[in-house]
Amino acid sequence: AQSVTQPDIHITVSEGASLELRCNYSYGATPYLFWYVQSPGQGLQLLLKYFSGDTLVQGIKGFEAEFKRSQSSFNLRKPSVHWSDAAEYFCAVVRTGTASKLTFGTGTRLQVTL
Amino acid sequence: DGGITQSPKYLFRKEGQNVTLSCEQNLNHDAMYWYRQDPGQGLRLIYYSQIVNDFQKGDIAEGYSVSREKKESFPLTVTSAQKNPTAFYLCASSMSGVRRETQYFGPGTRLLVL
Repeated sequence: AQSVTQPDIHITVSEGASLELRCNYSYGATPYLFWYVQSPGQGLQLLLKYFSGDTLVQGIKGFEAEFKRSQSSFNLRKPSVHWSDAAEYFCAVVRTGTASKLTFGTGTRLQVTL
Repeated sequence: DGGITQSPKYLFRKEGQNVTLSCEQNLNHDAMYWYRQDPGQGLRLIYYSQIVNDFQKGDIAEGYSVSREKKESFPLTVTSAQKNPTAFYLCASSMSGVRRETQYFGPGTRLLVL
């Protein structure tokens, strides 16, 4: 069964610093991968997605992610974090042989210090 | 503006009571989904529907029921059989039930037990 691991439960960075959130997946074929962001008490907003092609994917709000098949990773990055980026971030993968059923990681909560 | 609406934002349930959470979308999406979110556990799929008058159980369907009588509506009933209903419930939709389709989320309903 597919699984998604986000090894960092909580990360704190200073405003203006760079950010990398880790995501590792377990999957036999080419995965379809997503990053979502959730502000407290809100729904999830799609940041970016990878289906195929260029392994460096650009998303909204200045985020990008790189798919590395050899490492089974899809890490999310941002060169310079803003205080408004404080939120919870979820990585997700579409399950094999299913109709777009997603498996989510447990999330990484990002805190930004001023 | 197109989007997904969920109501109410907060819902209180008494012991032995069934409650229904509303989810409406005007995106003309075929597929709709219900997720439950608990702290530290990510999102777990309760039910999903790929087409009107059809739905399938997800990973944690026990104690829940759904209907899909209209394309734009996918209400979730939390029955008295669900012994631990306190959670944040998220509804999502996608263009169709194929693997490449991106899911879009509503703002969520928080259910609390009195």
